[in-house]
Amino acid sequence: GNSVTQMEGPVTLSEEAFLTINCTYTATGYPSLFWYVQYPGEGLQLLLKATKADDKGSNKGFEATYRKETTSFHLEKGSVQVSDSAVYFCALSRQAGTALIFGKGTTLSVSS
Amino acid sequence: DSGVTQTPKHLITATGQRVTLRCSPRSGDLSVYWYQQSLDQGLQFLIQYYNGEERAKGNILERFSAQQFPDLHSELNLSSLELGDSALYFCASSLRGQETQYFGPGTRLLVL
Repeated sequence: GNSVTQMEGPVTLSEEAFLTINCTYTATGYPSLFWYVQYPGEGLQLLLKATKADDKGSNKGFEATYRKETTSFHLEKGSVQVSDSAVYFCALSRQAGTALIFGKGTTLSVSS
Repeated sequence: DSGVTQTPKHLITATGQRVTLRCSPRSGDLSVYWYQQSLDQGLQFLIQYYNGEERAKGNILERFSAQQFPDLHSELNLSSLELGDSALYFCASSLRGQETQYFGPGTRLLVL
């Protein structure tokens, strides 16, 4: 079946450090891939997405590239800030109009 | 602000009771999805409605039901509540034919 696997957290970094959160997926066909972020006490916000192989999604300094050969969609940021502390969810959509399938989430904590 | 609203923000109730959670989608969005977020299960899809009709079911218990009204708002009804139903319940909406879902701030349910 379809599934998403994320690296276990928490991830603890100092401000300005490089961030990578690994995400791999299992899916039939050609899913779209997403990263959502959940700040403390808030709902999920779309961070970025990619809809086909080799697409790169980017937003607010975060990037992720859809790698079909490795079935991965790793999230990266060159220099994290304290305000990036949140829970990050990788998700896939098999097709438009269907439910998202989420990974378990990775908690990021950035200290100054 | 995603444009998706949910009420109430918090709900505390007792085992055996029934509650109703409300969601208003973004203007123009016909699809509404309900998800449950718990510590042990992560983010799980419950049910989807499209333009008033049930479209898909996920891991939704028989004690739970939902509906979407002509004005497109949706309600999730949870009955015979158990301690294990304590969770954050999210509503999301999307445009027809679009994969991106926009999430509301959630309703935090605590069953005592």
